[in-house]
Amino acid sequence: GAGVSQTPSNKVTEKGKYVELRCDPISGHTALYWYRQSLGQGPEFLIYFQGTGAADDSGLPNDRFFAVRPEGSVSTLKIQRTERGDSAVYLCASSSGTRADTQYFGPGTRLTVL
Amino acid sequence: GESVGLHLPTLSVQEGDNSIINCAYSNSASDYFIWYKQESGKGPQFIIDIRSNMDKRQGQRVTVLLNKTVKHLSLQIAATQPGDSAVYFCAENGDDYKLSFGAGTTVTVRA
Repeated sequence: GAGVSQTPSNKVTEKGKYVELRCDPISGHTALYWYRQSLGQGPEFLIYFQGTGAADDSGLPNDRFFAVRPEGSVSTLKIQRTERGDSAVYLCASSSGTRADTQYFGPGTRLTVL
Repeated sequence: GESVGLHLPTLSVQEGDNSIINCAYSNSASDYFIWYKQESGKGPQFIIDIRSNMDKRQGQRVTVLLNKTVKHLSLQIAATQPGDSAVYFCAENGDDYKLSFGAGTTVTVRA
């Protein structure tokens, strides 16, 4: 079956611009996660959705980052006034929704801020 | 803070040999552990998981061992193949939903 998909696969932007990253989870998965992975590091948690609501956004680095999931399926990660330090691979994962369920990851979006 | 970490950043193994990748964790509340494989330019791919009520779980060519006494997790790959070359991450769920990852071990398979 179809896995988690993310678009775009690559995004190059200039410092100060606004970007949106999209995630399509596995059909039927109620839980959706965003992680950020810097070069040579493991993924770091950003935000977790259960259905339409953000159940835990403790990993968002500052108020320039925001994510939505209005219909409980597709999610969009939004970054305002991008900075060079935001450059990373942004990964999305989804799971069935209980705490010890396997999280399946998408291919990621590589964001480069010039 | 508590985190998951891997003992060695790199591992070079001869094709056909067995590989062992180690991971130490420190969060006593963790009850779910996962191994992921990540190839260049791709997202992490689920390999195998284990819950804290088990000490061993086997999959196809892979075995995960969990030692809760010393908070140690390992991944064993039997008969390592060139396609096994990748970065391997262990992850734990702590006491909530989000996963905590270590920095990873880069496995290189020599022909």
